[in-house]
Amino acid sequence: GENVEQHPSTLSVQEGDSAVIKCTYSDSASNYFPWYKQELGKRPQLIIDIRSNVGEKKDQRIAVTLNKTAKHFSLHITETQPEDSAVYFCAASGTGNQFYFGTGTSLTVIP
Amino acid sequence: DTEVTQTPKHLVMGMTNKKSLKCEQHMGHRAMYWYKQKAKKPPELMFVYSYEKLSINESVPSRFSPECPNSSLLNLHLHALQPEDSALYLCASSQAETGPYGYTFGSGTRLTVV
Repeated sequence: GENVEQHPSTLSVQEGDSAVIKCTYSDSASNYFPWYKQELGKRPQLIIDIRSNVGEKKDQRIAVTLNKTAKHFSLHITETQPEDSAVYFCAASGTGNQFYFGTGTSLTVIP
Repeated sequence: DTEVTQTPKHLVMGMTNKKSLKCEQHMGHRAMYWYKQKAKKPPELMFVYSYEKLSINESVPSRFSPECPNSSLLNLHLHALQPEDSALYLCASSQAETGPYGYTFGSGTRLTVV
């Protein structure tokens, strides 16, 4: 099955700086890569996603890049704000609509 | 309605109790999921229902019993749980199992087994 690795496990940045979280996957058949943000005690929320026929996608301060050849994808957050502090999970699609989640990155934005 | 609603939000149960978790969505999604999440860990898939039929059971112990009475409702029946089953139980839905499509997660039920 799919194996998704995520790094770093914790990340602290100063407010206004950029944050980058990286994931690698093993199954070349995976074709959809969502990112979820989970604030403490709350549900995971889909913040951005990318399909395998696209190399980059942006939504305001958030962007995701995908390198299919190297089997890795990354989340980029620019101009970070304290409300960006949360745990971020990457995921890769498996059979049907089943997802394999990365181990999570705890992001802290220091005001 | 763009939400997945889960009840109850919190549940404390003894090891001999029987309880049920409920999940409801009215987005017309035809795939629904149960996930278990321990603190600071990613969600772990338990069950997948596609068009009201169980399509994936990730080797979950029989003390967890899912049920999908209709396309909007998903239940998880609990019986004779162990303390290690304490976790956040998340329900999710998506447009169809043959996606891929992003999930919409419910807020979860925080279960404590005593």
